[in-house]
Amino acid sequence: EDKVVQSPLSLVVHEGDTVTLNCSYEVTNFRSLLWYKQEKKAPTFLFMLTSSGIEKKSGRLSSILDKKELSSILNITATQTGDSAIYLCAVTRRGGSEKLVFGKGTKLTVNP
Amino acid sequence: NAGVTQTPKFQVLKTGQSMTLQCAQDMNHNSMYWYRQDPGMGLRLIYYSASEGTTDKGEVPNGYNVSRLNKREFSLRLESAAPSQTSVYFCASSDPGQGVGQPQHFGDGTRLSIL
Repeated sequence: EDKVVQSPLSLVVHEGDTVTLNCSYEVTNFRSLLWYKQEKKAPTFLFMLTSSGIEKKSGRLSSILDKKELSSILNITATQTGDSAIYLCAVTRRGGSEKLVFGKGTKLTVNP
Repeated sequence: NAGVTQTPKFQVLKTGQSMTLQCAQDMNHNSMYWYRQDPGMGLRLIYYSASEGTTDKGEVPNGYNVSRLNKREFSLRLESAAPSQTSVYFCASSDPGQGVGQPQHFGDGTRLSIL
């Protein structure tokens, strides 16, 4: 059975701090790992990491895939209150549909 | 850009009532999905449709049925609602294509309470 574990489950920081969110996975025929940000409503896509793209960066957010350790980290530098959200990690398999297996998420709270 | 549209946004049902949640996407995606999200549980896949005319069970299909009406629309039906189905339901779509695929895009969700 495919499994995705995120840590920590919740995190409270002050504006300006740097945070690292973790995601580890066990999946047969790994294809990709995705990070989503969920505020009040729909999860919104952040990054997709694959064997051919193990590092992604967008502004203050960056993510790395470690295929040897079967894990990924999401870094957020100089956090802002607008970064407060649940961050979801999910994986897909090769072959067939793009079914996502999600972790339980990390709830990040950034205080002013 | 509408993306993925879900209706209704909120619904309260009594135990035993039936209900259909509607989902439509305007991105010409082949694949569509229904998830439920419960506190502390992340998102769990209920059913998915890899292409028009096909549907398959996900992780938690019991108590639900789906219909892929056409390429745009994918509905989720609760035949006899139970309190355990109280949840937030998300519809998503994607165009898998070849190679590494594409990310799924989500609707804003339907918050469903069953009394």
